[in-house]
Amino acid sequence: GEDVEQSLFLSVREGDSSVINCTYTDSSSTYLYWYKQEPGAGLQLLTYIFSNMDMKQDQRLTVLLNKKDKHLSLRIADTQTGDSAIYFCAPIVAGNKLTFGGGTRVLVKP
Amino acid sequence: DVKVTQSSRYLVKRTGEKVFLECVQDMDHENMFWYRQDPGLGLRLIYFSYDVKMKEKGDIPEGYSVSREKKERFSLILESASTNQTSMYLCASSSRTGTVHYGYTFGSGTRLTVV
Repeated sequence: GEDVEQSLFLSVREGDSSVINCTYTDSSSTYLYWYKQEPGAGLQLLTYIFSNMDMKQDQRLTVLLNKKDKHLSLRIADTQTGDSAIYFCAPIVAGNKLTFGGGTRVLVKP
Repeated sequence: DVKVTQSSRYLVKRTGEKVFLECVQDMDHENMFWYRQDPGLGLRLIYFSYDVKMKEKGDIPEGYSVSREKKERFSLILESASTNQTSMYLCASSSRTGTVHYGYTFGSGTRLTVV
């Protein structure tokens, strides 16, 4: 099955850029998603990228996909305190199921 | 506002009890999922369902069962709760045709403590 790896923790200063990285193993993943989980809440879809794209930009969010290396990243520009959360990478696999990474906890310091 | 609702935010149960976690969605979604979330382990799929009365095992089904008698409701059952089932449980749903563009919609989670 699909294995999805993320670093556990990222600390960033308010106003700086955050980069969250993800690697996956299933090269047939056609869509790859980023979810955000705020404390005490469920997961909220942030953005996604189709596998034939290298980059997708959505306001402060930039998703980069290196399909050859099976590497996905999420860049958050001008990081704010409200961006403190856990971020999950989730490629889609056979049967339209999502496989989630372990999540990266982002802490934004003032 | 479309929604996935989990009936309880917090539950405390005793070892050996039968526990029911309820999830209801109002989006007419065909697919429903139960995950558990543990620190450092991310989300692990317990069971899922692609239709009424249909269920499939996920990655960690042991100790759990599910019921889907109606399209909008997907119940997770802990037959005999144990302390290692203390966790955050997340329900999600998606439409058969919309999954690729909209992903899953998640409930707020139920934090279950088994004592």
